[in-house]
Amino acid sequence: EAGVAQSPRYKIIEKRQSVAFWCNPISGHATLYWYQQILGQGPKLLIQFQNNGVVDDSQLPKDRFSAERLKGVDSTLKIQPAKLEDSAVYLCASTHGGAGGELFFGEGSRLTVL
Amino acid sequence: QKEVEQDPGPLSVPEGAIVSLNCTYSNSAFQYFMWYRQYSRKGPELLMYTYSSGNKEDGRFTAQVDKSSKYISLFIRDSQPSDSATYLCAMRETGNQFYFGTGTSLTVIP
Repeated sequence: EAGVAQSPRYKIIEKRQSVAFWCNPISGHATLYWYQQILGQGPKLLIQFQNNGVVDDSQLPKDRFSAERLKGVDSTLKIQPAKLEDSAVYLCASTHGGAGGELFFGEGSRLTVL
Repeated sequence: QKEVEQDPGPLSVPEGAIVSLNCTYSNSAFQYFMWYRQYSRKGPELLMYTYSSGNKEDGRFTAQVDKSSKYISLFIRDSQPSDSATYLCAMRETGNQFYFGTGTSLTVIP
């Protein structure tokens, strides 16, 4: 079974530029998450989707971050304009959405903002 | 108070030692408990997944949950240099929201 796919793995941009990350969850997983992980910290939830609807985006900085999951499968996270403090690893994760489902992560997209 | 507390370490042990990693939590509604291993520049990999209290063993790894004390542990027997990584604990209620510790950095010295 294929795991959670993410791209690109690494991205370096200047501040105020834009960047987009892509995620394809495990087949059949209804719930998809984007997390931000800063070095030495645990993952911080940015947004949670159930199929193509948003369940929780309370911690998403909506003035600069946006995310979509149009057909309930793959998802894109965009940052525009980027700030220095956005330098982090962006992790995508998925679960089947039923009670007690395990959470699986992708390899992450590492963003460096200069 | 954070929902999940985890000692960040770093923890350094000699090869072959028994390692004990721990997390405490405050939410008594947590039902599912997980341990992830995260190598440098990699995503978290699910190691152990347990429901409610009790022990679960998988090879050299044992996960222990004590809901009365709101305390979970991961034991690694006969630790190997390849076990050197950051270990994250995570928890959830019956819904789909997960809560993570900050991770413990482990180094196993050959």
